[in-house]
Amino acid sequence: EDQVTQSPEALRLQEGESSSLNCSYTVSGLRGLFWYRQDPGKGPEFLFTLYSAGEEKEKERLKATLTKKESFLHITAPKPEDSATYLCAVQAQGGSEKLVFGKGTKLTVNP
Amino acid sequence: DAGITQSPRHKVTETGTPVTLRCHQTENHRYMYWYRQDPGHGLRLIHYSYGVKDTDKGEVSDGYSVSRSKTEDFLLTLESATSSQTSVYFCAISGPNSLGGGFTDTQYFGPGTRLTVL
Repeated sequence: EDQVTQSPEALRLQEGESSSLNCSYTVSGLRGLFWYRQDPGKGPEFLFTLYSAGEEKEKERLKATLTKKESFLHITAPKPEDSATYLCAVQAQGGSEKLVFGKGTKLTVNP
Repeated sequence: DAGITQSPRHKVTETGTPVTLRCHQTENHRYMYWYRQDPGHGLRLIHYSYGVKDTDKGEVSDGYSVSRSKTEDFLLTLESATSSQTSVYFCAISGPNSLGGGFTDTQYFGPGTRLTVL
């Protein structure tokens, strides 16, 4: 069974304090790994898709990386507006359109 | 933002009543999905559609049915709502993968419907 585990469940940072969120996965052949940001009361907002080990993608203060077993979302010099829940999801090979989501990491950045 | 709307945005109903949630897209994407989000469980797939009148079950489909008579609309029906179906429901859409191969790619989510079953 495909599984996604995100850690930590919650993370508090001071503004400017860089850190990383982890997404560990087990899947029978990875088609893609997705990162989303979710603000309270809103739908998930797409951030990145990673397809193969070694791939990296960046957007402003965020950088996502992928290995064969896990993905990291690095946050450099975060700002209070980066506070949100970050969701990781995997899609398996084999034609299934199903995304399996982790439970998310709630990030709070204090000014 | 992907053109996805959900209605209603909030609903309170009583146990045993039927409820229908609507998802509408303006992107002409082939695939549409219904998820529920609950504390401690993350997002879980209920049903999805891969074309007009073509649907399939997700991991938590019991108690739910779906219909898609037009590309732009995907309806989720709770035939007889129960308190365990109190949740936030999200619709998502996806189009063809930019890498080719006939696969779909990123799923884009709507704003959600908060359903409370008393």
